[in-house]
Amino acid sequence: DVVVTQSPLSLPVTLGQPASISCRSPQSLVHSDGNTYLNWIQQRPGQSPRRLIYQVSNRDSGVPDRFSGSGSGTDFTLKISRVEAEDVGLYYCVQGTHWPFTFGGGTKVEIK
Amino acid sequence: QVHLVESGGGLVWPGGSLRLSCAASGFTFSDYYMSWIRQAPGKGLEWVSYISGVGSSKFYADSVRGRFSISRDNAKNSLYLQMNSLRVEDTAVYYCVRVGQFDYWGQGTLVTVSS
Repeated sequence: DVVVTQSPLSLPVTLGQPASISCRSPQSLVHSDGNTYLNWIQQRPGQSPRRLIYQVSNRDSGVPDRFSGSGSGTDFTLKISRVEAEDVGLYYCVQGTHWPFTFGGGTKVEIK
Repeated sequence: QVHLVESGGGLVWPGGSLRLSCAASGFTFSDYYMSWIRQAPGKGLEWVSYISGVGSSKFYADSVRGRFSISRDNAKNSLYLQMNSLRVEDTAVYYCVRVGQFDYWGQGTLVTVSS
């Protein structure tokens, strides 16, 4: 299985300040079809997870533009340009290139 | 609009069984792989099982292989997870998730395994 490593585990952030989460894979996440299936999932407290970003950098419908994804190959990043109170929660990267698909361990974003 | 609604969770003794169901709507169900993903209390997300659109291919996490069985009924737009020989460590919220790169999740159903 592809073990996807996320960091940091916990991310205290001041409201209005930026935040960045890293996701790394030991092997390339470029699929044979040329796409890179690296997604970001958000889970607010008490809610079901929802996808924020798909294929590295594409925001899902309704996701604020303060969220952005970047990266290639084995290294990826989720950035929040200015953290708001509603961004508190857990964030996971998940690779959908290699079976079985695997999740990162999660990053807890909290307000300082 | 895509909807996934899980049911069937509850409290069960260790060694017991449960069958989870997921009712899907708003898309052509048979076109998609579907999965069960779980989250133990205070823990991260863990995939449990996947099934192909026609049900011919199935995948299981090592932790559940031989005890859990995934199935689907495309005529009823439904996904199932038969869970046998349940263990305390199977306690979790179980989510039904469309494997279109994890684009849709259900609200989850809580399974508690305890004596």
